[in-house]
Amino acid sequence: DGGITQSPKYLFRKEGQNVTLSCEQNLNHDAMYWYRQDPGQGLRLIYYSQIVNDFQKGDIAEGYSVSREKKESFPLTVTSAQKNPTAFYLCASSSQGNTEAFFGQGTRLTVV
Amino acid sequence: GQQVMQIPQYQHVQEGEDFTTYCNSSTTLSNIQWYKQRPGGHPVFLIQLVKSGEVKKQKRLTFQFGEAKKNSSLHITATQTTDVGTYFCADGYSNYQLIWGAGTKLIIKP
Repeated sequence: DGGITQSPKYLFRKEGQNVTLSCEQNLNHDAMYWYRQDPGQGLRLIYYSQIVNDFQKGDIAEGYSVSREKKESFPLTVTSAQKNPTAFYLCASSSQGNTEAFFGQGTRLTVV
Repeated sequence: GQQVMQIPQYQHVQEGEDFTTYCNSSTTLSNIQWYKQRPGGHPVFLIQLVKSGEVKKQKRLTFQFGEAKKNSSLHITATQTTDVGTYFCADGYSNYQLIWGAGTKLIIKP
């Protein structure tokens, strides 16, 4: 089945540690995105990538990093520089930037 | 830059009542997409509107795109418990990303 997979679903980390969230898609989509969602809030764009080996900062990129070495994969690293990393992280992909977005199940990150 | 304002933030309804959420922009919207996010879940695409004045229906859901392409609405007739969640609009204004509204949370009163 085609889709987008995020892992893990829940993640706990100690403050000061970097953590990498996985996102894989087999939809053959060029565009991939990372969003952050805080409780009761909307989606805020962290990073996006339109093509392999290229990515752009979104609205809240500080404290995060990404890579796009393969079309299928777009991992997000939450660094220790992110001041408030506890949140729900959603990865999405689309064939083009303004077409239907397909989301993964999300990763709930808790930093203690 | 492009902004999409979505109202209301919350709407409490009795089961069986109607629900409406609105998205507005001061500039022309390109194409409006609507998504539903169930509690604890991820956003799921519902529909896309492209043409001025377009109206589309999905069972009890009616989606409208304004004549001037500056607003859009989602109306649910006779809400059911399965409708609970947050409804987002998003504009495909940019070739590179969607511009998201803040969402409207539909809450069914017990």
